[in-house]
Amino acid sequence: ELKVEQNPLFLSMQEGKNYTIYCNYSTTSDRLYWYRQDPGKSLESLFVLLSNGAVKQEGRLMASLDTKARLSTLHITAAVHDLSATYFCAVDMLGKTDKLIFGTGTRLQVFP
Amino acid sequence: NAGVTQTPKFRILKIGQSMTLQCAQDMNHNYMYWYRQDPGMGLKLIYYSVGAGITDKGEVPNGYNVSRSTTEDFPLRLELAAPSQTSVYFCASRYSRTSYEQYFGPGTRLTVT
Repeated sequence: ELKVEQNPLFLSMQEGKNYTIYCNYSTTSDRLYWYRQDPGKSLESLFVLLSNGAVKQEGRLMASLDTKARLSTLHITAAVHDLSATYFCAVDMLGKTDKLIFGTGTRLQVFP
Repeated sequence: NAGVTQTPKFRILKIGQSMTLQCAQDMNHNYMYWYRQDPGMGLKLIYYSVGAGITDKGEVPNGYNVSRSTTEDFPLRLELAAPSQTSVYFCASRYSRTSYEQYFGPGTRLTVT
């Protein structure tokens, strides 16, 4: 059974600081997704990582994938308040399953 | 394109009542999904469908039923509502198994008291 774990579950950080959210998964995966969810809102797609070593960046967020370690990271650079949200990773096994399995989520709070 | 739409946005049910959560997409997507999200938690898959007439159970199907008579619509039926079904329900869709993007609806917030 595929399991997806994120840590930390909750992250409170000061504006201007850097931090990394980790996403571990238990079996071989073909694709990994990062989503953002604002309070009371739906999920917004951030990144799709397709292969080992893939790196994608958008603004202050950078996501990477190490398929050998079954690990993805979401790095936050010089955090700003607007990044406060919950971030989810999700894993997809192409050809083996028709569904995404979501991690537990990391609630990020950025304060001045 | 309206994308993925869900109705209602909010609903309060009494224990034992039944209701149907509606989900529709206008993107001609074959794959559709129902998730629930409990407060402060991640998403758990309830049911999914890979095309009209084909449905399958996810992680937490008990207490729910689905049908998929058209490509566009994927309603979720709650029979005999229980407090444990208090949650936010999200519908999602994607074109195929190989599609990168999975689109989410705005959600339905359900309270069972």
